[in-house]
Amino acid sequence: DADVTQTPRNRITKTGKRIMLECSQTKGHDRMYWYRQDPGLGLRLIYYSFDVKDINKGEISDGYSVSRQAQAKFSLSLESAIPNQTALYFCATSDRTAAPYSNQPQHFGDGTRLSIL
Amino acid sequence: AQKITQTQPGMFVQEKEAVTLDCTYDTSDPSYGLFWYKQPSSGEMIFLIYQGSYDQQNATEGRYSLNFQKARKSANLVISASQLGDSAMYFCAMRGGGADGLTFGKGTHLIIQP
Repeated sequence: DADVTQTPRNRITKTGKRIMLECSQTKGHDRMYWYRQDPGLGLRLIYYSFDVKDINKGEISDGYSVSRQAQAKFSLSLESAIPNQTALYFCATSDRTAAPYSNQPQHFGDGTRLSIL
Repeated sequence: AQKITQTQPGMFVQEKEAVTLDCTYDTSDPSYGLFWYKQPSSGEMIFLIYQGSYDQQNATEGRYSLNFQKARKSANLVISASQLGDSAMYFCAMRGGGADGLTFGKGTHLIIQP
């Protein structure tokens, strides 16, 4: 089984719908992240969480919200989806307790392809 | 603000040749980390190699090595003896400046030809 699992893997929906993307991890990491990938733009950070009580905005948080339900679960919501939110979404984790933290890579899920019509 | 620049949108390389993928970065933070990820056509992000700003030696991981030139703010990925399976998108990323997330470049699409 994958260490970082994203559901669904693919989703097509209509403008104005509320959508939730879910992420769960079995790595025991404390930190979790949501990124968005658009063609030609690389990945951009949407939100990140240090633990269940600590949520932080990233570079492009407008139009998104998140919930850290438990250390292992981090969900991303689009309250009212719009077509320019069509993208590949990644969840990632990292281990703040590992030393030195600065060289700990982020571990990514396989991504969710979201299309908004 | 941090920035990663990858100037090669695409590269074609013959199998078994060495490949250098360019990455330059910009940050005012003296402490930072540089990462390379591979993204095959299936879409997943695979961590390849890391270089810390205070590391004295260039990082190596199997066929991957990092040519780190701190004064020039460059962290080029070198793949030795390229294989057909190396065909993928490659992203350079940086962590630093007090931020916890990674800042990514736009990527290089590498195609290995037989």
